[in-house]
Amino acid sequence: QKEVEQDPGPLSVPEGAIVSLNCTYSNSAFQYFMWYRQYSRKGPELLMYTYSSGNKEDGRFTAQVDKSSKYISLFIRDSQPSDSATYLCAMNQAGTALIFGKGTTLSVSS
Amino acid sequence: NAGVTQTPKFQVLKTGQSMTLQCAQDMNHNSMYWYRQDPGMGLRLIYYSASEGTTDKGEVPNGYNVSRLNKREFSLRLESAAPSQTSVYFCASSELDRGNIQYFGAGTRLSVL
Repeated sequence: QKEVEQDPGPLSVPEGAIVSLNCTYSNSAFQYFMWYRQYSRKGPELLMYTYSSGNKEDGRFTAQVDKSSKYISLFIRDSQPSDSATYLCAMNQAGTALIFGKGTTLSVSS
Repeated sequence: NAGVTQTPKFQVLKTGQSMTLQCAQDMNHNSMYWYRQDPGMGLRLIYYSASEGTTDKGEVPNGYNVSRLNKREFSLRLESAAPSQTSVYFCASSELDRGNIQYFGAGTRLSVL
C-alpha cells in the first residue's frame, strides 16, 4: 500500500459547483497536511496547510483532516474556471520529507 | 523576492549528451530538493540536500548527480542523458522544520531524443 493515495481524476465540474478532493494515507504518525495547486506548465504552489486534525478555511477553500480515518479533503466552494489545475496533497511527520499524492486534475467549465 | 529560480526553462538533448540544471533560492532555506514529474507518476524525489554540505538519494537517483554549491544553489547533472529522462524537473527548497513546507520553482522541461 502506498503511503498516500489520491484519485488522479480527471474531475470535471460546471462553474459554481462544490468540489471535493481527497487523499487517504497509511502512516498514522503524519501530523502536517498540505494542499498544493499546480497550474499547467507551472510549479506547485502551497494552497492550504493544516496541523493535526480539524478544519481550516481560507476564502472559498476548506481543508479538512480526519486522522481517525486517515483521510484528508479539500473543498472548493463556488468553483471558478480559474480553479482548473492539478491539486496535490502532501503530508509528513515533524521535520521529515514531504510525501506527495500523485495529484487530481480538476477542470471547471464556464 | 524571486523565491526558487530554475534555469533553463526548456532543453532538448540528444541521447548521451550531458547537461546541468541550475537551481537557486533566495529564502535562506537550509534544505533543497530535485524532483521529476511524469504523467501518472506524480512528483518523484531524485536527490535532496538537508543542509549545505550534505546530499542524499531520493526515490529515483539513478542517472543523476547533484552538487550543493552553497546554501543558495543546488544543481542537478545528467552525465549521459537517456530518453527515459525526458521529464519536467522541479527544484524546491524548505526550512526543515515541523511542517517542512516546500516552495517550488517553475520547472525545466527536458526532452531527450
